[in-house]
Amino acid sequence: EIVLTQSPGTLSLSPGERATLSCRASQTVSDSYLAWYQQKPGQAPRLLIFGASTRATGIPDRFSDSGSGTDFTLTISRLEPEDAAVYFCQQSENSPYTFGQGTKLEIK
Amino acid sequence: QVQLVQSRAEVKRPGASVKVSCKATGYTFTSYALHWVRQAPGQRLEWMGWILPINGNTEYSQKFHDRVTFGMDTSANTAYMELSSLGSEDTAIYFCARSVFYLSAFVSYWGQGTQVTVSS
Repeated sequence: EIVLTQSPGTLSLSPGERATLSCRASQTVSDSYLAWYQQKPGQAPRLLIFGASTRATGIPDRFSDSGSGTDFTLTISRLEPEDAAVYFCQQSENSPYTFGQGTKLEIK
Repeated sequence: QVQLVQSRAEVKRPGASVKVSCKATGYTFTSYALHWVRQAPGQRLEWMGWILPINGNTEYSQKFHDRVTFGMDTSANTAYMELSSLGSEDTAIYFCARSVFYLSAFVSYWGQGTQVTVSS
């Protein structure tokens, strides 16, 4: 199965700054087959971006992604306090459709 | 609006089975795949498989394929996940989630989660 490794484990930034979250795959994943989710404590995950930079309904353009092959990045520009959460990547290149272990984003 | 409402929390003994339900409203039940994903304490999200309500076809993660069964009742717009031979490692929150589009592995709507605790 494809293993997704996210870094850093925790990221602590101030409002207005830019966050860069990494997701590395153990084998090649098409950029159409990678997605990002946000999860806040006690809530289900929320889809942010999928299928080659398509933002899910209601997701602001402060959220963007990039990358190809085995290295992918989620960028959150102009951080807001409500962006504090754990962020996961997921691949759909091969079944089982695995998730990364998550990056915790703290807003100072 | 789209909603997925799951059954309540369960506490089970080791070796038992658990069945979690997921009632869908706000969309055409047969038009989207339904996935099951679990999250154990401190662990990453784990995809268990999916069911296609239009025909009942299923795909299971190899990790669970001999212990899990997905089912559905299209007349009630409800999907089910049954996991057998429970062990302590199955203690987790179990989510049902609807695909972004018909056969997508990505999910855009989630149930509230069902806590399953396995304890003697």
